[in-house]
Amino acid sequence: GQNIDQPTEMTATEGAIVQINCTYQTSGFNGLFWYQQHAGEAPTFLSYNVLDGLEEKGRFSSFLSRSKGYSYLLLKELQMKDSASYLCAVMDSNYQLIWGAGTKLIIKP
Amino acid sequence: EAGVAQSPRYKIIEKRQSVAFWCNPISGHATLYWYQQILGQGPKLLIQFQNNGVVDDSQLPKDRFSAERLKGVDSTLKIQPAKLEDSAVYLCASSLVPKHSNQPQHFGDGTRLSIL
Repeated sequence: GQNIDQPTEMTATEGAIVQINCTYQTSGFNGLFWYQQHAGEAPTFLSYNVLDGLEEKGRFSSFLSRSKGYSYLLLKELQMKDSASYLCAVMDSNYQLIWGAGTKLIIKP
Repeated sequence: EAGVAQSPRYKIIEKRQSVAFWCNPISGHATLYWYQQILGQGPKLLIQFQNNGVVDDSQLPKDRFSAERLKGVDSTLKIQPAKLEDSAVYLCASSLVPKHSNQPQHFGDGTRLSIL
């Protein structure tokens, strides 16, 4: 079966750095997406990785290792507005997105 | 550009009643998705359209759920009759052709459905 695992909840301090991990087992791989979802709102696209390595976009970076079935989202200089759920999703061989349950990130002052 | 539009924003009905949701995707997006998201879970794909054709409806409970995209633009999702377990947020998303796999899906604000 297809499976995406991410921690249920994480807590971090304002101004700090946090790394949210995602491991996956899917039938085929056509890229991995990270989305941010604030409570009561729609998911919004953060990043896309299809090749191994690190993609940096401002305070957010995303890393992929296809051989390990592993990705992480790195958030730097945390702000209170970063409190949200972070969803990992993998596009499988049929170009369908397989979604993780999301990691709820709590930022404390 | 205008985003994905959904209505209504909230809906409360009693079990066994019917409900319909509407979605207008981003202009030019050929692919439209309906998802069900239960609190604390990731989105679950109900149905995917490519223009006005169904690509995947394998997880759509067809005894009670139906969806259409007649002119290949906007879409409606219907539940008839509703059950208590249908309480969830129903998200519509659109994208360019997914085989250009780096194209992200863009989501509407969703409809929060409560079944009493």
